[in-house]
Amino acid sequence: DGGITQSPKYLFRKEGQNVTLSCEQNLNHDAMYWYRQDPGQGLRLIYYSQIVNDFQKGDIAEGYSVSREKKESFPLTVTSAQKNPTAFYLCASGLNRDGTQYFGPGTRLLVL
Amino acid sequence: DQQVKQNSPSLSVQEGRISILNCDYTNSMFDYFLWYKKYPAEGPTFLISISSIKDKNEDGRFTVFLNKSAKHLSLHIVPSQPGDSAVYFCAASGRGGGADGLTFGKGTHLIIQP
Repeated sequence: DGGITQSPKYLFRKEGQNVTLSCEQNLNHDAMYWYRQDPGQGLRLIYYSQIVNDFQKGDIAEGYSVSREKKESFPLTVTSAQKNPTAFYLCASGLNRDGTQYFGPGTRLLVL
Repeated sequence: DQQVKQNSPSLSVQEGRISILNCDYTNSMFDYFLWYKKYPAEGPTFLISISSIKDKNEDGRFTVFLNKSAKHLSLHIVPSQPGDSAVYFCAASGRGGGADGLTFGKGTHLIIQP
């Protein structure tokens, strides 16, 4: 049963705290992506990785960090430097071919 | 600046009729265009895509048309069904290569009226 999983579904962050969002895929896709969605907005690209041990900044990378140590996993850390972290975070993966990406169910991050 | 634009925030269509969702883009480097369907608090679901070398792609009730000279694409849903009510996002790839991430429009909320 292939797919993309994200955890947790909801995450609460305190001021000054770093939090990490998990993303795992068993689709054997090379490329993985993190997007952020704000109310009434489209998705905006945070980071992406086309291959293990390599990743690139997207349009809104400031205040975020990622790692890609395994093909299946692409965790996103929201650091204390991200001043407006409240959003819906979506992870995706794809085959590096025609741009088609498949999305996980998302993580809602809220600030306490 | 917005490179992918969906100018209609919402669209209401009667069940059984045709739904037409529109999308405009500005970057002529885009080489693939995709449509996603999204329900609240869920991830987007891939619907259909089209390569920039084609002008039409069809999959069941869904057809996407691409007009490169006008930098415009549209998604047609025929016939519209109640389960089609959702937010539809237009997206484009190829701004720097096929795997560099998608550029999304802000979405159109499609409401199918019974």
